[in-house]
Amino acid sequence: DGGITQSPKYLFRKEGQNVTLSCEQNLNHDAMYWYRQDPGQGLRLIYYSQIVNDFQKGDIAEGYSVSREKKESFPLTVTSAQKNPTAFYLCASSGRRQETQYFGPGTRLLVL
Amino acid sequence: GEDVEQSLFLSVREGDSSVINCTYTDSSSTYLYWYKQEPGAGLQLLTYIFSNMDMKQDQRLTVLLNKKDKHLSLRIADTQTGDSAIYFCAESIYSGGGADGLTFGKGTHLIIQP
Repeated sequence: DGGITQSPKYLFRKEGQNVTLSCEQNLNHDAMYWYRQDPGQGLRLIYYSQIVNDFQKGDIAEGYSVSREKKESFPLTVTSAQKNPTAFYLCASSGRRQETQYFGPGTRLLVL
Repeated sequence: GEDVEQSLFLSVREGDSSVINCTYTDSSSTYLYWYKQEPGAGLQLLTYIFSNMDMKQDQRLTVLLNKKDKHLSLRIADTQTGDSAIYFCAESIYSGGGADGLTFGKGTHLIIQP
């Protein structure tokens, strides 16, 4: 069953803590993306990676970090430098021609 | 710069057609998309159109693109209660070897009246 999985579904962060959101895809897609969604807002691009071992900052990269060591995995770390981390985080991937992006089910991050 | 605008709400009666509109500003857009989001879920790709096309039809969905006015619309025929969701318009910009991510509108809440 091909698709994009994100875990966990809900994540709680304490003050000063780094947390990592998982994104895995078995679609053999080259490109992967992280977006943030706030209530009543569209999605904003955090980071993206078009190929393994390479990634680029999106529009709101401050306070976040990523790695792309494997084609199928693109984890996002929300660092303590991100002062307003409460949001719904969506991972996406796209294939060689990159004309379509498919999204995972999302992770909701809440601050304790 | 890139900007995608949509109205926030649309209310239609069940069985009528819904038309959701979107305007975009970046003339170098290559593809334009419509995504559907149900509460608490990720985004589902509904359809997309290449920027050199005027229209695309897929079952109950019709996409119209007016490049001159930078206007995109999504028509849903025979709207059903299951169509109740948020609909996002998005554009992609390509550079170098691939897509740099999508730019999204804020989404249109489609409300279905019985």
